[in-house]
Amino acid sequence: SAVISQKPSRDICQRGTSLTIQCQVDSQVTMMFWYRQQPGQSLTLIATANQGSEATYESGFVIDKFPISRPNLTFSTLTVSNMSPEDSSIYLCSVRDLRTDTQYFGPGTRLTVL
Amino acid sequence: GQQVMQIPQYQHVQEGEDFTTYCNSSTTLSNIQWYKQRPGGHPVFLIQLVKSGEVKKQKRLTFQFGEAKKNSSLHITATQTTDVGTYFCAGPYNQGGKLIFGQGTELSVKP
Repeated sequence: SAVISQKPSRDICQRGTSLTIQCQVDSQVTMMFWYRQQPGQSLTLIATANQGSEATYESGFVIDKFPISRPNLTFSTLTVSNMSPEDSSIYLCSVRDLRTDTQYFGPGTRLTVL
Repeated sequence: GQQVMQIPQYQHVQEGEDFTTYCNSSTTLSNIQWYKQRPGGHPVFLIQLVKSGEVKKQKRLTFQFGEAKKNSSLHITATQTTDVGTYFCAGPYNQGGKLIFGQGTELSVKP
């Protein structure tokens, strides 16, 4: 199974600043995604991180607010830009193992915006 | 757009009682997946169902995929305190491995 790590695990940030979250996978994976889980809510897909090209964003999410990088098949970053308290959420990196057809989630980054 | 609905939102049971959560999709699914998220944790993959009418068991957990491939259920027999957490169903949408999640059912177990 894929082992995913995320940094930071949690952070408290001031309104108007930006935070970059890192996701590292212990093996090469084709499919990598970023999800958001607001307090007490379900998971919502932000975007698919594409290796070597621009991320594919879901409705309601834009690149200017959530720029994503994926320089290789094991690493991705998500930046939450110009943060407001409404961005307080858990941000989760996820990968799909095509060999086992299983999806794995990282431990998440718990973000609080004051 | 495609929706995945899950009920109930909360379930409080006494240890030893059974528990069931139900998942309904607005569209036919190629497969359905179930995840468990412990309090303070992240979602952990439990199982994937692919075939119409499929039933799979994992110890005290029984997963079922409906004949029309639009609904699913997770049943836990004789709950234990270790079963506490939120159970999510999720179905693929569009292509490329993307998932749409149900709202989740939060299970609490009173010892």
